[in-house]
Amino acid sequence: GIQVEQSPPDLILQEGANSTLRCNFSDSVNNLQWFHQNPWGQLINLFYIPSGTKQNGRLSATTVATERYSLLYISSSQTTDSGVYFCAVTRSYGQNFVFGPGTRLSVLP
Amino acid sequence: GAGVSQSPSNKVTEKGKDVELRCDPISGHTALYWYRQSLGQGLEFLIYFQGNSAPDKSGLPSDRFSAERTGGSVSTLTIQRTQQEDSAVYLCASSYDSSSYEQYFGPGTRLTVT
Repeated sequence: GIQVEQSPPDLILQEGANSTLRCNFSDSVNNLQWFHQNPWGQLINLFYIPSGTKQNGRLSATTVATERYSLLYISSSQTTDSGVYFCAVTRSYGQNFVFGPGTRLSVLP
Repeated sequence: GAGVSQSPSNKVTEKGKDVELRCDPISGHTALYWYRQSLGQGLEFLIYFQGNSAPDKSGLPSDRFSAERTGGSVSTLTIQRTQQEDSAVYLCASSYDSSSYEQYFGPGTRLTVT
């Protein structure tokens, strides 16, 4: 099956810093989503981005499907950005997600 | 509108007992997924429902796990004869249909088997 890797596994930032999180996947995908799992365990949709670039406030994401990777950019990080960021992919319509192992982000005040 | 809801939010049960977990998808969403997240681990797919089609049960870890979806809406995940390794957060997600992939997750049910 498809393999999903994320890097770095852990990231500690000072408030206000910028960061880039990476997701690599082993095969072509039809769907890719980025999620933020907050300290209470809720998975929050950040981006639905099978290809191209999207921006939402301080966050943006780029997926280069032909090269099998996606990047999540966080600018001017805040303590509320702390949590685990997951990348998840599906290979075809309606299939379940395969999740990456996540990047645990800690933003210090 | 309302998001995906799950109940109970927390469940503590004794080893060997059966438990039922409930998921209410977003109204109008025809696809429904169950996942499991063990402590400190990533998310693991369990089962997928799409409309009236036969469910994809390929992720169920054992025959103690089963799920049904009544009327194409609410789903119940049942775990029989619970074991300690079943302790995890069980997450439900829904999407509009199988051609609209964006999945929305509920808050999860935290199951603890003592």
